[in-house]
Amino acid sequence: DVKVTQSSRYLVKRTGEKVFLECVQDMDHENMFWYRQDPGLGLRLIYFSYDVKMKEKGDIPEGYSVSREKKERFSLILESASTNQTSMYLCASSSYTTQYFGPGTRLTVL
Amino acid sequence: EDQVTQSPEALRLQEGESSSLNCSYTVSGLRGLFWYRQDPGKGPEFLFTLYSAGEEKEKERLKATLTKKESFLHITAPKPEDSATYLCAVQASGANNLFFGTGTRLTVIP
Repeated sequence: DVKVTQSSRYLVKRTGEKVFLECVQDMDHENMFWYRQDPGLGLRLIYFSYDVKMKEKGDIPEGYSVSREKKERFSLILESASTNQTSMYLCASSSYTTQYFGPGTRLTVL
Repeated sequence: EDQVTQSPEALRLQEGESSSLNCSYTVSGLRGLFWYRQDPGKGPEFLFTLYSAGEEKEKERLKATLTKKESFLHITAPKPEDSATYLCAVQASGANNLFFGTGTRLTVIP
């Protein structure tokens, strides 16, 4: 079974803090993705990576950055958290087409 | 522009009452159409991938079908444990990322 894990299920941070969300997959997938999910808006792609050290902007990259130093690990960074970044963050990985998701991190920025 | 519209937004069924969920899509060359199930507070769980019109896939009480403009997720004799949000997504030719609809929230009443 494909396993995608995320570092935290719930996270509470203060405005202006730097936030790291980590994602690890165990299936040797080339592609990894970060989405955020908000009520009524569905899943929106923030960034994705198709290889180590490679990254591509998704639909809503503003306020975020990413890092992929190893194939199995993809990190999402909020440089200076803001209240409008309160959301559910989902990581996914894929080798060809089908994406497999992690359990999600519910981030609240106060 | 890629677009995915799911209907209805919400559906309440009695246990055993079969029905269908709709996913209408517009994409510049379909690479794949995906169905996921999502329980509250959790990440999406992969159900099916469909690649070409006429294709059908089944899993337990669920059956997914695909035409050139839409996909249906048929639920036969649903049980309360089928209650979840069902997400549809498309992948365009040459793309790595998925474009998601906003989902159908299914409630099955005992």
